[in-house]
Amino acid sequence: DAEITQSPRHKITETGRQVTLACHQTWNHNNMFWYRQDLGHGLRLIHYSYGVQDTNKGEVSDGYSVSRSNTEDLPLTLESAASSQTSVYFCASSESRVGNTIYFGEGSWLTVV
Amino acid sequence: TQLLEQSPQFLSIQEGENLTVYCNSSSVFSSLQWYRQEPGEGPVLLVTVVTGGEVKKLKRLTFQFGDARKDSSLHITAAQPGDTGLYLCAGLNTGTASKLTFGTGTRLQVTL
Repeated sequence: DAEITQSPRHKITETGRQVTLACHQTWNHNNMFWYRQDLGHGLRLIHYSYGVQDTNKGEVSDGYSVSRSNTEDLPLTLESAASSQTSVYFCASSESRVGNTIYFGEGSWLTVV
Repeated sequence: TQLLEQSPQFLSIQEGENLTVYCNSSSVFSSLQWYRQEPGEGPVLLVTVVTGGEVKKLKRLTFQFGDARKDSSLHITAAQPGDTGLYLCAGLNTGTASKLTFGTGTRLQVTL
């Protein structure tokens, strides 16, 4: 079955370190998204991509970057981790047509100490 | 920035009770989705409503999209412990290629 997987599922890192969260989907979806989820804020969009070599900033993109070198993967990089980036991160993907179902990964719990 | 406010934030009820969760915005959305998220997992889509005034039913769950497409509600009849979870509404606008704006969430606990 097609799926979307995230790794690592849990990570503790130190302030200032670079961290990369991986996201891999096997649906061949063009659209991929990264969200963070925090209490009281719901899910907020960090970055998104509509296809290979395309990346766009979401509402909370500062301190994060993404790259899309193929259809299947959209890694999220925290350039210099900060305590404010402690959160649960969700990757998601969907087909190109507007309104199609968005499928979420199981989440990556990141703690910055 | 478009905002979606959900109420209540937390709800603890007993099995068999009915409940309604509200999702409100000052912005108009072309469609609205409801998700349920269980601990340790990502959100899972329950329903999409696209027409103002639309009502959709999914077993004991009834979803309604406001006439002006600014608000939505989720009504659960005879809640069961399996309904426990975080319920999220999310708005979508035409031309944003599935880029959702999520509500703040309603955490529901149903006890025996």
